[in-house]
Amino acid sequence: DAKTTQPNSMESNEEEPVHLPCNHSTISGTDYIHWYRQLPSQGPEYVIHGLTSNVNNRMASLAIAEDRKSSTLILHRATLRDAAVYYCTPLSNFGNEKLTFGTGTRLTIIP
Amino acid sequence: EAGVVQSPRYKIIEKKQPVAFWCNPISGHNTLYWYRQNLGQGPELLIRYENEEAVDDSQLPKDRFSAERLKGVDSTLKIQPAELGDSAVYLCASSPGLAGRQETQYFGPGTRLLVL
Repeated sequence: DAKTTQPNSMESNEEEPVHLPCNHSTISGTDYIHWYRQLPSQGPEYVIHGLTSNVNNRMASLAIAEDRKSSTLILHRATLRDAAVYYCTPLSNFGNEKLTFGTGTRLTIIP
Repeated sequence: EAGVVQSPRYKIIEKKQPVAFWCNPISGHNTLYWYRQNLGQGPELLIRYENEEAVDDSQLPKDRFSAERLKGVDSTLKIQPAELGDSAVYLCASSPGLAGRQETQYFGPGTRLLVL
């Protein structure tokens, strides 16, 4: 299984952009990168995923490095509601589809 | 549309007692997952079902844990007997179950277990 590395914690001011990094240097060529977040006392929720190209949705943007060894989740304008633990996890497109969560990044939003 | 439902939300038991958790996935979702999340850690997969079949139970401690998904809908996860180290949040998730697709997993709120 590919291993991911994320900073333990980050802080950001409210209404500022946030860039959450993830290193996944051992990812295979067919693994997608998924991001989930977990708000306090809730189960994880899906944020975004991608393979090679940058991706955008209503929640966030995902920038994937050209060599695919790292990616960055971008929250364009952080709100207090974005305070959560953010996990990046590879997911194979073949066979056993298994999310592998690490310890994630705890994002604190400063009002 | 209702999300993944889990019960109970909280459970406190003494060690060596049995405990069971129940999960009702999103209607129509064929794949169901049970995860365990220890304090300060990310969720770890215990078992994955495709309909009624357990297709990945490699991380399930089979000496004390068991799970079932009768009729391919609801699922129950049981621990017997519980140990102090089983204190954790037990999360259920479901996904549509379309093979070869990058599917979103939808998580329930979890059951927080405390073993005394």
